[in-house]
Amino acid sequence: AQRVTQPEKLLSVFKGAPVELKCNYSYSGSPELFWYVQYSRQRLQLLLRHISRESIKGFTADLNKGETSFHLKKPFAQEEDSAMYYCALSAAGNKLTFGGGTRVLVKP
Amino acid sequence: DTEVTQTPKHLVMGMTNKKSLKCEQHMGHRAMYWYKQKAKKPPELMFVYSYEKLSINESVPSRFSPECPNSSLLNLHLHALQPEDSALYLCASSQDIKQAYSPLHFGNGTRLTVT
Repeated sequence: AQRVTQPEKLLSVFKGAPVELKCNYSYSGSPELFWYVQYSRQRLQLLLRHISRESIKGFTADLNKGETSFHLKKPFAQEEDSAMYYCALSAAGNKLTFGGGTRVLVKP
Repeated sequence: DTEVTQTPKHLVMGMTNKKSLKCEQHMGHRAMYWYKQKAKKPPELMFVYSYEKLSINESVPSRFSPECPNSSLLNLHLHALQPEDSALYLCASSQDIKQAYSPLHFGNGTRLTVT
């Protein structure tokens, strides 16, 4: 069975400060990992996926198989980054399992 | 068209009613999904359709009945629901379930209230 854990329910940071959202997973196979974001009054949307190894809106995430982690980082948070962030793992059949979510609040 | 469209946006129904939720996408995706999201909780998978065939049923009660009439449409038929079924129901699509790295595109959801 697959499981995704996001230990922080709420992260509050000041604008310009670094932000790191933690994500740990358990899965017996080779994981495909994603970060999804939901801005206020918008639909849930993909932020980035580990296979792409890209930076989106200044965010990066590195898959660490040894620590079974996929933490999301941004060096300088912006107010528009305030949103709900979900880490997700895709298993066979593209069965996507979400973590509990972390709400990020960026204060001016 | 790069969106998943869900109707209605809101639905209030009694426990004896029969209603349907609708979902449509025109991105040529061959996998479609229903998720249920309770307040302040992550989405939970209910059903997966692949090439119009039911691929995954996450032990969902039979009062929820999915249907995929064609590759662009996905319905969720509701009958004899309970108040605890009140939630946001999300539809999503992706290119193919064989590609686990293929991201899901979500609709805005239908907010369902069962009275």
